Amino acid sequence: AQTVTQSQPEMSVQEAETVTLSCTYDTSESDYYLFWYKQPPSRQMILVIRQEAYKQQNATENRFSVNFQKAAKSFSLKISDSQLGDAAMYFCAYRSAETSGSRLTFGEGTQLTVNP
Amino acid sequence: NAGVTQTPKFRILKIGQSMTLQCTQDMNHNYMYWYRQDPGMGLKLIYYSVGAGITDKGEVPNGYNVSRSTTEDFPLRLELAAPSQTSVYFCASSSTGYGIQYFGAGTRLSVL
Repeated sequence: AQTVTQSQPEMSVQEAETVTLSCTYDTSESDYYLFWYKQPPSRQMILVIRQEAYKQQNATENRFSVNFQKAAKSFSLKISDSQLGDAAMYFCAYRSAETSGSRLTFGEGTQLTVNP
Repeated sequence: NAGVTQTPKFRILKIGQSMTLQCTQDMNHNYMYWYRQDPGMGLKLIYYSVGAGITDKGEVPNGYNVSRSTTEDFPLRLELAAPSQTSVYFCASSSTGYGIQYFGAGTRLSVL
């Protein structure tokens, strides 16, 4: 079974600074997807970024980028120019690409605080 | 754009009561999912469906039932509610088995 670990329960960053959230995962599969979801106080789960394991290039979405290290099974999220609206719980998630309809396996989350 | 709609947003149940959490999506997605999120934790899969008439158990199915009579609707039934079912419940859908999952706003359920 796959597992996802987020070792930082809480992180804080100053507005306009850069922060990196860590995520490691364990799997025996070679083909899979990795995700970062943001959950603000409204509870809505919002997809931030997605990485396909077969792609070596790191995904980027505006101020959000990932550092995907497949051999190390590491998938960190970098938020540049942090904004107050980035404050939320961030979840790393894994999904198999070898089993159709497979579930998302989530980490326990990192609570990000953005200080003005 | 409605997306995935969950009702109710909040509910309090007494131990032993039953209820149905509703989930509707208007994106014509075949795949639908129910997750629960306990305080301070990530989401865990309860049940999922790959199309109308087809459902399967996830990681934590005990105490729940589902049905999928239409593509749009995927209700989650709680029978004999227990305090351990106090949680936030999320419904999600995706167009394919490998596609991005889109989430509803969640239902906060308390069983007292």
